[in-house]
Amino acid sequence: GAGVSQTPSNKVTEKGKYVELRCDPISGHTALYWYRQSLGQGPEFLIYFQGTGAADDSGLPNDRFFAVRPEGSVSTLKIQRTERGDSAVYLCASSLGTGVTDTQYFGPGTRLTVL
Amino acid sequence: AQTVTQSQPEMSVQEAETVTLSCTYDTSESDYYLFWYKQPPSRQMILVIRQEAYKQQNATENRFSVNFQKAAKSFSLKISDSQLGDAAMYFCARQGGSEKLVFGKGMKLTVNP
Repeated sequence: GAGVSQTPSNKVTEKGKYVELRCDPISGHTALYWYRQSLGQGPEFLIYFQGTGAADDSGLPNDRFFAVRPEGSVSTLKIQRTERGDSAVYLCASSLGTGVTDTQYFGPGTRLTVL
Repeated sequence: AQTVTQSQPEMSVQEAETVTLSCTYDTSESDYYLFWYKQPPSRQMILVIRQEAYKQQNATENRFSVNFQKAAKSFSLKISDSQLGDAAMYFCARQGGSEKLVFGKGMKLTVNP
């Protein structure tokens, strides 16, 4: 079936605006992860969902960041009052479950630019 | 902090030659998994190979193999018969008791024709 998809591919916004980034996981995958990749760095964990609930949100940098997965499939990462430091590629991944044996499959990411 | 370190930011290799990418990590866990991901300019992270820490046998996947030294916390990737399509960023990652992946900073591999 189809892989993980993310929309939009690119998003340019102005400082202080609100943005939403969407992730469609692989069908049947119960676990969904968000990572942020700044320029020249490896991805850093933000949050992961098991089903509809956020099982670990310890990577969210502050309360401007929030993510939901209301029906256990599609997830939306929401960023309020964007700052220039939020500019990065936001990657989504999904896996069949949450065991360490379950490989995470990544989407192509959303490149967010905050002017 | 439980970190993953890739000390070489860039490497180059001639087409058809062999190249080894290095990675070291720090962890207090006894059971964990190690991964190499490839990220071409398309940005999508593609799994290259994975290694279970409890397995002594090094993982292989076609032209890709690892040298896993658990005591030294070292996990290098060997690419044999390098191809132009192997050019990309390569990231080493660890996954332990928590489900999240912890990545290194990455290494840019250039393949020269």
